[in-house]
Amino acid sequence: DAKTTQPTSMDCAEGRAANLPCNHSTISGNEYVYWYRQIHSQGPQYIIHGLKNNETNEMASLIITEDRKSSTLILPHATLRDTAVYYCIVKNPVAGTYKYIFGTGTRLKVLA
Amino acid sequence: EPEVTQTPSHQVTQMGQEVILRCVPISNHLYFYWYRQILGQKVEFLVSFYNNEISEKSEIFDDQFSVERPDGSNFTLKIRSTKLEDSAMYFCASTVRPASPLHFGNGTRLTVT
Repeated sequence: DAKTTQPTSMDCAEGRAANLPCNHSTISGNEYVYWYRQIHSQGPQYIIHGLKNNETNEMASLIITEDRKSSTLILPHATLRDTAVYYCIVKNPVAGTYKYIFGTGTRLKVLA
Repeated sequence: EPEVTQTPSHQVTQMGQEVILRCVPISNHLYFYWYRQILGQKVEFLVSFYNNEISEKSEIFDDQFSVERPDGSNFTLKIRSTKLEDSAMYFCASTVRPASPLHFGNGTRLTVT
C-alpha cells in the first residue's frame, strides 16, 4: 500500500504558485520522497525527489518538514499544461524493494 | 533527451489470444519495469527485471504473464491468454540504478474484446 496521503483534487489559477501537500508520517530514515505527475493517460513523469533538505530544479521545488512527516511540492508559476495528477511516493532508493507504489495522487486543475 | 519507447500505442485483441507488448528502454539503463493502469484506477506495479531475471513481481503478475529481454535493446511483456480484465494501459519504465528516478514510456493501450 502507498505510504502517503494526498488531497484528492486541487485547483490553481494560472500564473499562481501551486502548492501540493503530501503526508508521509510513517517515513523511515532512509526513505526518500519522490514526486511524479501524469498528464492525461501518458506515462508518469518524474518531477523531483529529496531526503531531508529542500530541493529545487527547473520544474519545481520540494519542501520537506524538519520531522520529515510531510512535504509540499511547489510549482512556482502554474500553467495550463501543469494540469495533471501528481503523485507523492516514499521509497528507500537503495534497499529492499525496487518498485514504486503509486497512490491515488492529487488531481491538479490549473484554471485560466 | 533519451526516451523509453513503447509499441504499439494501441493493441486490440480477442479474449484468449496471446499479446506481446514491446518496449525499448533508455540505452544505458539496467533496471526495467512494467506497470499497468486500468482506466480510472491507480498505476499498479507488475514486475521489475534486472540482470536478465525478475527481481520482484506483484500478485497481478501470475503465470499468464512473462517478461523477456531478447536482445540488448528490447524488453517485452507477454500475456499468454488474454482476459477481458487485462484491458488497461501498460507502461514500461527503466532506470540506470534503483536510486535514480524512473523514466516511463507513454504506454500501450491494450483492449481485450
